[in-house]
Parts: sequence; C-alpha cells; structure tokens
Amino acid sequence: GAVVSQHPSRVICKSGTSVKIECRSLDFQATTMFWYRQFPKQSLMLMATSNEGSKATYEQGVEKDKFLINHASLTLSTLTVTSAHPEDSSFYICSARKNSGGARPTQYFGPGTRLTVL
Amino acid sequence: GQQLNQSPQSMFIQEGEDVSMNCTSSSIFNTWLWYKQEPGEGPVLLIALYKAGELTSNGRLTAQFGITRKDSFLNISASIPSDVGIYFCAGQGSNYQLIWGAGTKLIIKP
Repeated sequence: GAVVSQHPSRVICKSGTSVKIECRSLDFQATTMFWYRQFPKQSLMLMATSNEGSKATYEQGVEKDKFLINHASLTLSTLTVTSAHPEDSSFYICSARKNSGGARPTQYFGPGTRLTVL
Repeated sequence: GQQLNQSPQSMFIQEGEDVSMNCTSSSIFNTWLWYKQEPGEGPVLLIALYKAGELTSNGRLTAQFGITRKDSFLNISASIPSDVGIYFCAGQGSNYQLIWGAGTKLIIKP
C-alpha cells in the first residue's frame, strides 16, 4: 500500500496565529514530500518540495518565511503557516513520493487540510 | 506555472455511458498519471503510465500514454454514480515534479 495521512483535516484559527499541518507516510518511507495548495475549482499548485534532512525548495512566489517546512524524518513533513491571514485560507494537500524498488517513483496524496483564517 | 491542456472541462453524462477525457502537452513526459479527487479530499491515484504507447486498465478505467509522450487519455466504461468527481491528469518529468491538468469534472445525470 501507499497511505499518506494529514493532520488536522480542518483547522480554524484567528488572524495572526500560526498553524502547523502534519503529513505522514504510514507504510513507506519518503525522502521527498510535496506541499500543494488548492483553491476552489482549481488544480493543485505546488508550493514547495520537502527533502528529508535538508532545506525545502520553494516554488517561485511562495514565501519561505511564511510557509515553514520541516522534514525531520523519512515519514513526517510539517508545514507551518506563520502569522496566518484570511488570504491564507485554502485547502492544503501534501504528497509523498514512494520509490518502488528504486524505479518509477509515484506521488501519493494525503486527504488534505482545510485551513480557515478568521 | 506550466499546466497541461485537459479536456473536456466538465461532462454531464447518463449512468451507464462511457466517458473519455484527454490531456496534451507541449513538453515530453516520462510518466503520465491520472488522479481522481472528490470534494474535500486529496487526489487518489487511478492509473500510472510509464512507457510511450502503454495501455493500462484498472477495472472499468483504461488509460494510454501517447506515442509522442505528449498526450494521454483516460476512458471510463459503463459509468456509475460513484464515478462522479474531478479527474486530473499529471505529467511527471525527469525532475519528478508533477505538472497538472486543470481537471475534468464528471457529473452523472440521474
């Protein structure tokens, strides 16, 4: 199997607070995880690539100081939205790349986290 | 950023009908992937294609990796109500990042 979990599934917070979202690969190790953001009726937008033991690589236009990513182990990556504002409200989805015997890596997605900033 | 051309944008079909959707790209990909996403959930991998010309089935779903490596299609035969959702194609290049289509929303008329 290839199961990826996210926690929490939903979070509501006040403007100015920070929110941490966890992404775990439950039955495989993932040296690489990805964080996406999805607006209503749109496709997934890659925010950053999270590499175990090293700094994340952010896509153009994504503020690294705003969206802190930590990939401390082969099964866990965290995304912290710092000083959240209403415009940060979105659906955040992580994925983990599973390398099947060293060939044909495939991304498996978590169930997503709905963030609402009041 | 780059996005694949996925069509149609939406489909209204009767239960039992066959469905076909496709994606095209100006770039070559090493892998084509098809995902399904339901409201409030993350995408679920349906089919992965790794070789040009490859035709792969998963139950009632069939997908093909175009011979030019720039396109792929997904067919669903004999649609059922639980097939509703948004289907996304994604191309994976040598850097393993995914380039996404805009999605095809499938709606089944009662």
